[in-house]
Amino acid sequence: EVQLVESGGGLVQPGGSLRLSCAASGFTVTSNYMSWVRQAPGKGLEWLSLINTRGNTYYADSVKGRFTISRDSSTNTLYIQMNSLRAEDTAVYYCASGSGDCYECSSYWGQGTLVTVSS
Amino acid sequence: DFVMTQSPDSLAVSLGERATINCKSSQSVLSRSNAKNYLGWYQQKAGQPPKLLIYWASTRESGVPDRFSGSGSGTDFTLTINSLQAEDVAVYYCQQYYGTPYTFGQGTKLEIK
Repeated sequence: EVQLVESGGGLVQPGGSLRLSCAASGFTVTSNYMSWVRQAPGKGLEWLSLINTRGNTYYADSVKGRFTISRDSSTNTLYIQMNSLRAEDTAVYYCASGSGDCYECSSYWGQGTLVTVSS
Repeated sequence: DFVMTQSPDSLAVSLGERATINCKSSQSVLSRSNAKNYLGWYQQKAGQPPKLLIYWASTRESGVPDRFSGSGSGTDFTLTINSLQAEDVAVYYCQQYYGTPYTFGQGTKLEIK
């Protein structure tokens, strides 16, 4: 059974950094396209970043240069390093994975982890 | 970037009736190489992560009831929910995955009338 479990969220001051983790089971993170998506309180979904099976990475303009997506095959974990955090980065952060039928789709989702950027 | 625009923003439909949600892309998401539309539909119930319903514009994800269907091509797409059930109350999003950033529509809130 495919499972994604995010961790690492919390309260951080503006300008601070945080690293979120997404532990995967039931598949290997290098075999699927993996994404991060966030949702600000009461708002819609915002796609943030993707790492494909070749290890190529892509970012939304809103986080480019501040966030870095990565993965570790030894721990089967997806990460996102978030630097220079702003109040507008406050959101629930989800990791998502594609599947064999649609690599680019977000077929599997974690439950999300809340990041609050506030002084 | 692709801009995805959904309509309406919200709608209320009676139980057993049909709900229709539209999604328009600012650019075509139809691939000439494989004739696939890189468009998905997601359902998000309150307090839950999104759930993939439809991919390639019209392929139902495994386990999704057949009252959910997707149609359209190029820039215009529709999610249809036939015989609306109480458990279908949710926010529905379209997303293009033709090119990064993989943008979502703003969401359509579906309620029971």
